[in-house]
Amino acid sequence: EAEVAQSPRYKITEKSQAVAFWCDPISGHATLYWYRQILGQGPELLVQFQDESVVDDSQLPKDRFSAERLKGVDSTLKIQPAELGDSAMYLCASSLSGGADTQYFGPGTRLTVL
Amino acid sequence: DQQVKQNSPSLSVQEGRISILNCDYTNSMFDYFLWYKKYPAEGPTFLISISSIKDKNEDGRFTVFLNKSAKHLSLHIVPSQPGDSAVYFCAANSGAGSYQLTFGKGTKLSVIP
Repeated sequence: EAEVAQSPRYKITEKSQAVAFWCDPISGHATLYWYRQILGQGPELLVQFQDESVVDDSQLPKDRFSAERLKGVDSTLKIQPAELGDSAMYLCASSLSGGADTQYFGPGTRLTVL
Repeated sequence: DQQVKQNSPSLSVQEGRISILNCDYTNSMFDYFLWYKKYPAEGPTFLISISSIKDKNEDGRFTVFLNKSAKHLSLHIVPSQPGDSAVYFCAANSGAGSYQLTFGKGTKLSVIP
């Protein structure tokens, strides 16, 4: 069964350092999402791509976060510099063509900022 | 302001009995609702969905009920099994422009053998 791949699964970093997360969506899925889930909360959308274009990044803290999906396939989410409050689970999801299509999630990257 | 609310952080049910997880929403533009299940250290897994044109959708042991007038939906699991123990998230989208999913905070279900 096709799955969304994410790496690394766990990342520990010190504040002010740069971190990057990678996501490979299900093959053929045009829409890719990055979510952040703080402990005890539901996932919150950071950015949505349709192919290589950003559709929605209204919740992305653009002073320190950036995301790209250059070839419309895999994607990278970067944080620079990391802050203590960035400690969370970062989830990637993909769907066939956006809209009401079901979003399938990867296992996530657990980030701890010390 | 939380647009999707799951007011019960946790629920314990005996194996074989019915589990009922509840979700309320405030945004009348929401027209598609989903339930996801999440095990520790894994990403959410899609479970079942319902469009606002329906009031019930069933898939095996899982049934979702939608009451649009009350802005309320519920997930029924019958019979509950120990493997159902997980955190369940209710999510909704409006389909207007961005199909962003808005999630509730989740309910932790424990099914006791």
